Amino acid sequence: AQKVTQAQTEISVVEKEDVTLDCVYETRDTTYYLFWYKQPPSGELVFLIRRNSFDEQNEISGRYSWNFQKSTSSFNFTITASQVVDSAVYFCALSESGGSTLGRLYFGRGTQLTVWP
Amino acid sequence: DGGITQSPKYLFRKEGQNVTLSCEQNLNHDAMYWYRQDPGQGLRLIYYSQIVNDFQKGDIAEGYSVSREKKESFPLTVTSAQKNPTAFYLCATKKTTLMNTEAFFGQGTRLTVV
Repeated sequence: AQKVTQAQTEISVVEKEDVTLDCVYETRDTTYYLFWYKQPPSGELVFLIRRNSFDEQNEISGRYSWNFQKSTSSFNFTITASQVVDSAVYFCALSESGGSTLGRLYFGRGTQLTVWP
Repeated sequence: DGGITQSPKYLFRKEGQNVTLSCEQNLNHDAMYWYRQDPGQGLRLIYYSQIVNDFQKGDIAEGYSVSREKKESFPLTVTSAQKNPTAFYLCATKKTTLMNTEAFFGQGTRLTVV
């Protein structure tokens, strides 16, 4: 069965601190995709990154970086030098390569990040 | 501008009434999805459609119905059979159902039963 676990329900940091959001997943597929989305107070989900199961290279995009480790089934997200505008709910999601529900996303419960000035 | 439009943003419904949430897209995407979000929960899939005139149940389809008569539109009806309809509803689209594309989301509709 597919499952995405975000153990951290809420995280609070002070501006300029680094913060890491954890994501652990379960899947039987050998080919799958992992995503991170940001949900600001406005409600819509904003796409941040996609990673496929064959690419374990870490990625950095500005203040954001992602650490994908198949050995531990984890896809963690780090924000460096956090800012107040980073305050949002962050979701990790999994998508598989086959099956009748092709294309659907399985979401974790989300982590509420609050960055204080 | 291309995008996904969900309306209304806020919706109030009396118990026992059916209500329809609108989702329109001009991205020319084939696949469309409805997700439900409850406080402290992730998003759960209600229904999805890969092509016009075809749709499939997701994990929590009971009490909901959909139609896909046009590529651009995927309305969701919350029926009186849905026991606990108060939630935030998000519509999403994907260019294809291939795995290597991300989903795009609308701004959501917050439904409250009064």
